[in-house]
Amino acid sequence: QVQLQESGPGLVKPSGTLSLTCTVSGGSISRYFWTWIRQPPGKGLEWTGHLYYSGYTDSSPSLHYSPSLKSRVTISLDASKNQVSLRLTSVTAADTAVYYCVRGSPAGGDLYYFDSWGRGSLVTVSS
Amino acid sequence: QSALTQAASVSGFPGQSITISCTGSSSDVGRYNYVSWYRQHPGKAPELIISDVTNRPSGVPDRFSGSKSANTASLTISGLQAEDEAVYYCCSYTSSSTLYVFGAGTSVTVL
Repeated sequence: QVQLQESGPGLVKPSGTLSLTCTVSGGSISRYFWTWIRQPPGKGLEWTGHLYYSGYTDSSPSLHYSPSLKSRVTISLDASKNQVSLRLTSVTAADTAVYYCVRGSPAGGDLYYFDSWGRGSLVTVSS
Repeated sequence: QSALTQAASVSGFPGQSITISCTGSSSDVGRYNYVSWYRQHPGKAPELIISDVTNRPSGVPDRFSGSKSANTASLTISGLQAEDEAVYYCCSYTSSSTLYVFGAGTSVTVL
């Protein structure tokens, strides 16, 4: 059973950069979609973006970002460490949320649902 | 405002059946059979309970079933149990650049 563990600072100053790491254990990081979904306190879920890693060293990961965050968000992967990272720049209070690292299994080459979730990491944007 | 519309709350007695609706548009629910449902207990991460409108992942009880008609997807919980108290979110793949749209969630109360 794959386990996903998010880690990173719980407090970020406004205009700063939010950085989170997801460590994957109990499963391969290859041939899956890796997604970050966030949930503001008391609110619903928001997809921020995802990355697909084929596992082939000569192949770059495929990336898609939410249009509303595209200018600020970066998702990356370190296969040697089995880690997926999220970076969100120029944060404001509206970025305060629990950030979930989520794995998605490809179907026909695309991602249609999110099957394994980390416990989440609360990030508060405040001075 | 969420792209998919869900009722804020639904309740039922133990043993009863309840249905949660999720209404979208011809760009998402009506266009694709890629509706998924997630259950979230308080303070916990969401968990997948239905994928591709009707599919139950391994380990999900068959009390949970999904369906779709036109632009509305539904989740039915049969034989309601106390452990079913949670918030349920629907999600659909969409033709827009957003790729995925979620509902605001339906809080299920077992009376």
